[in-house]
Amino acid sequence: EAQVTQNPRYLITVTGKKLTVTCSQNMNHEYMSWYRQDPGLGLRQIYYSMNVEVTDKGDVPEGYKVSRKEKRNFPLILESPSPNQTSLYFCASSFGGLYTDTQYFGPGTRLTVL
Amino acid sequence: GNSVTQMEGPVTLSEEAFLTINCTYTATGYPSLFWYVQYPGEGLQLLLKATKADDKGSNKGFEATYRKETTSFHLEKGSVQVSDSAVYFCALSEVGSSSNTGKLIFGQGTTLQVKP
Repeated sequence: EAQVTQNPRYLITVTGKKLTVTCSQNMNHEYMSWYRQDPGLGLRQIYYSMNVEVTDKGDVPEGYKVSRKEKRNFPLILESPSPNQTSLYFCASSFGGLYTDTQYFGPGTRLTVL
Repeated sequence: GNSVTQMEGPVTLSEEAFLTINCTYTATGYPSLFWYVQYPGEGLQLLLKATKADDKGSNKGFEATYRKETTSFHLEKGSVQVSDSAVYFCALSEVGSSSNTGKLIFGQGTTLQVKP
């Protein structure tokens, strides 16, 4: 089954404790990205990757890191989480990142930073 | 910059009622437009899309027409069901002048609740 998977689905942590949210897709997509969803704000892009070893900042990159060492994986790293990073996070992928492409979303990771 | 505005929710309807969720956008160039749906506890799923002016996207009884003249992409369904209860997001995909970012710009989402 074609899908985007994320782990963990739920995470409660404390300020300053490094964490990684994994994202994997099995559709051989070139393009992957991360969004965060906050009430009243919709989804906002954090980082994106057009291909392996190619990443760039989205609209809200502060406090986050990413890497793209393999085509299928695109982990999101929070080196020193803070309470304002409490949010619902979605990974997405598409064939080439073109403006006509459909993006496929993972199930989401709900993160709480205390 | 580019932006998407959706009607405020929540929208509460009785089963078999007609649904309209308004969406307007501001963008340079000719973006693609999308409606995504988020069922409780799940990720976003593409509902329909349109990639050029006057295109009509349709799926599962939902329709939306890309109206360049009014910069709108309103979502409609003739007869809603309880199973349509979800959050609906309108989004546009930016058209970069020099580089492609693949970024989707989302509206804030509209919650639809359908009662039996």
